[in-house]
Amino acid sequence: GNSVTQMEGPVTLSEEAFLTINCTYTATGYPSLFWYVQYPGEGLQLLLKATKADDKGSNKGFEATYRKETTSFHLEKGSVQVSDSAVYFCALSGGYQKVTFGIGTKLQVIP
Amino acid sequence: NAGVTQTPKFQVLKTGQSMTLQCAQDMNHNSMYWYRQDPGMGLRLIYYSASEGTTDKGEVPNGYNVSRLNKREFSLRLESAAPSQTSVYFCASSDSLGGNSNQPQHFGDGTRLSIL
Repeated sequence: GNSVTQMEGPVTLSEEAFLTINCTYTATGYPSLFWYVQYPGEGLQLLLKATKADDKGSNKGFEATYRKETTSFHLEKGSVQVSDSAVYFCALSGGYQKVTFGIGTKLQVIP
Repeated sequence: NAGVTQTPKFQVLKTGQSMTLQCAQDMNHNSMYWYRQDPGMGLRLIYYSASEGTTDKGEVPNGYNVSRLNKREFSLRLESAAPSQTSVYFCASSDSLGGNSNQPQHFGDGTRLSIL
């Protein structure tokens, strides 16, 4: 079956540091890939997505590239802010109704 | 825009009690979902409804029932609550007509449920 692997963290960074959160996946076919973000006390919200190989999703300074050859969709940001502190979920949609989420990576950004 | 609205936001139950979690969306989405979120487990799908009038089991359906009341509303019922059902419950919806997997899910803010 489909699966998504990401580290749980927490990942602690200083403000303005470079961020990478790794995400690898296992899936049949050609899934769509997503990053969601969850702020404390809230539900998940879409951060970015990519629907085919070599697509790059981007939003709010975050980027991720769909790499089919390495089955990866790593999240990056060049300069994090305290307001980016949240939990980040990688997810794949491999067909009708079949969305698989990773366990979520907690990011803490300190001033 | 309200999006996905869940009620209640918090609830404490005693073992054996029953309750219904309510969810409504105003985006005219076809598909709706119920998840539970537990530490170290990510999100696990309890039940989903591909369209009005249909429901299907997800990964962890035992101890739960659902009702797709109409296109807007999808409720989750715990008939006899157990401490293992202490969790944060999220409802989500998506525009997935025809099985389109490109569309993201839209989440409510969750119901925090404690069972003593």
